[in-house]
Amino acid sequence: KNEVEQSPQNLTAQEGEFITINCSYSVGISALHWLQQHPGGGIVSLFMLSSGKKKHGRLIATINIQEKHSSLHITASHPRDSAVYICAYATGTASKLTFGTGTRLQVTL
Amino acid sequence: KAGVTQTPRYLIKTRGQQVTLSCSPISGHRSVSWYQQTPGQGLQFLFEYFSETQRNKGNFPGRFSGRQFSNSRSEMNVSTLELGDSALYLCASSRDRADYGYTFGSGTRLTVV
Repeated sequence: KNEVEQSPQNLTAQEGEFITINCSYSVGISALHWLQQHPGGGIVSLFMLSSGKKKHGRLIATINIQEKHSSLHITASHPRDSAVYICAYATGTASKLTFGTGTRLQVTL
Repeated sequence: KAGVTQTPRYLIKTRGQQVTLSCSPISGHRSVSWYQQTPGQGLQFLFEYFSETQRNKGNFPGRFSGRQFSNSRSEMNVSTLELGDSALYLCASSRDRADYGYTFGSGTRLTVV
């Protein structure tokens, strides 16, 4: 069983829709990361959370430490949001990240 | 400010050969982590270097090794290549610990034939 569970695995949305991607983990963590990977492989770090909520443009990330759950929301989705979204956690002061399997998002016109 | 630079971008090697990949972190970042991404296993942590010392190591065989230089640039080496080593190898740099956030490079895509 993966230590990080993401859902859904695949998601197709129409432009303008509100999107939610979920991430659940099973251990105590020091930080949770949301990453975006476009075709071609490069990874962009979207958010790093240890508590609460962060917002950047149309992206919002929340985390509930007690429930060991995080969500990534995209408001007013756009085709350029099409990518794989990956959550990953770090524990203690260690820099090792443990990754989820990713959610493949496709936004159509 | 310059991002994380990985070289080369693409590489084709033959089974049994060895390969060296390079990662230049963002200026001022002292931590460099390496990851392997394959379709079957997803992203997996290889190792992390901080101030020229290996600070963390993942569950990979000894054929995978790395080092970090005094300017924080890092190299990883894979010896006796196997077909299963074909993957995208990513490095990420950070000021210090994971909770300072990471910046990823574009990766090196290694194909072993």
